[in-house]
Amino acid sequence: ETGVTQTPRHLVMGMTNKKSLKCEQHLGHNAMYWYKQSAKKPLELMFVYNFKEQTENNSVPSRFSPECPNSSHLFLHLHTLQPEDSALYLCASSRGTGASWGELFFGEGSRLTVL
Amino acid sequence: GIQVEQSPPDLILQEGANSTLRCNFSDSVNNLQWFHQNPWGQLINLFYIPSGTKQNGRLSATTVATERYSLLYISSSQTTDSGVYFCAPPTQGGSEKLVFGKGTKLTVNP
Repeated sequence: ETGVTQTPRHLVMGMTNKKSLKCEQHLGHNAMYWYKQSAKKPLELMFVYNFKEQTENNSVPSRFSPECPNSSHLFLHLHTLQPEDSALYLCASSRGTGASWGELFFGEGSRLTVL
Repeated sequence: GIQVEQSPPDLILQEGANSTLRCNFSDSVNNLQWFHQNPWGQLINLFYIPSGTKQNGRLSATTVATERYSLLYISSSQTTDSGVYFCAPPTQGGSEKLVFGKGTKLTVNP
């Protein structure tokens, strides 16, 4: 138990579906992240939020739409995905960003399959 | 950006053996983390180690920032140690944006 919870753990969707991934952290952190892990590739940073404000968008296609309503919750809305978007999506949190960001803690991941 | 190289890429051990995993990085950093990814995909935080040596049970880590490398030691390995080990320095300086290497895949056989 890392204090970061992701749901669902597994998701299968068609290319025309709309779905959302949810992440919740119970660590009192202010920064939250989405990472993507595809087969045979290193983890890639997608988005960073600090105090609900997006501070990083790593050139992610618009079919991935993040939402951070407060410092404890982070969503990733998915629509019109492609099969190559199938991957493990990992949420993480940290105390903050910049010089005082501390350590990164990850959730269990949401394994997405796009048919 | 910073380059991260981990070695060896694959490692197979018998239970009880010791091992050393290495992480080389191309630029000076102010922090570095080691993670263990279990077979179900979860990344477990092992060490936050910008410099020096830390120990946690059978695991210990050493970072020599001036020489741009970090080492993870696993002693008396157990089957539950199997998985992929990642080191992750920041993109630059003390940034929160971590860069992950390809990892070392460890298999511990009973």
